[in-house]
Amino acid sequence: EIVLTQSPGTLSLSPGERATLSCRASQSVSSSYLAWYQQKPGQAPRLLIYGASSRATGIPDRFSGSGSGTDFTLTISRLEPEDFAVYYCQQYGSSKITFGQGTRLEIK
Amino acid sequence: EVQLVQSGAEVKKPGESLKISCKGSGYSFTSYWIGWVRQMPGKGLEWMGIIYPGDSDTRYSPSFEGQVTISADKSISTAYLQWSSLKASDTAMYYCARLLGAAFDPWGQGTLVTVSS
Repeated sequence: EIVLTQSPGTLSLSPGERATLSCRASQSVSSSYLAWYQQKPGQAPRLLIYGASSRATGIPDRFSGSGSGTDFTLTISRLEPEDFAVYYCQQYGSSKITFGQGTRLEIK
Repeated sequence: EVQLVQSGAEVKKPGESLKISCKGSGYSFTSYWIGWVRQMPGKGLEWMGIIYPGDSDTRYSPSFEGQVTISADKSISTAYLQWSSLKASDTAMYYCARLLGAAFDPWGQGTLVTVSS
């Protein structure tokens, strides 16, 4: 089973700042099979990025994804108040799926 | 609009059985895998399994194999997650989601299952 480790566990930033979230896999993941989600309190997760770097429909361009192999990154270029939430990475391979444990992005 | 609508919240006692549902609309239900994801209170997302409604091919996470049953009725565009004997540790929010390629989109609104004596 591929284990995804996200860091940091909690990130404290101010609106307008840049956020960089990391997702590291225990073995190589195809870039096509790495996704990022945002979850706000009381809501279902929402797909942000698929294929490591493609934005889902309706996602603002301040969100970007990058990486390959075992190291992937979600970047939010300039934080808006509505971006403070929990973020999860997810991989799919050989009909098995795993999620990272999440990064909480909180207002400083 | 592609939508997944889940059944309502449930309160059950340990040992009882339960089947929750997820109804898809706005797309060809038989052409995409549907997944189930558990989120225990205050915790992260855990993948439970996926089903292909077209032929009911099902894959389970090793952590959930034998603990739950995933099924689908393509005639009514609905997927199911069921337990034969609930435990207090099954208390959680359960989400269904369509697997679009290798990512889940969209997600259902979630079904809260509470198991308490």
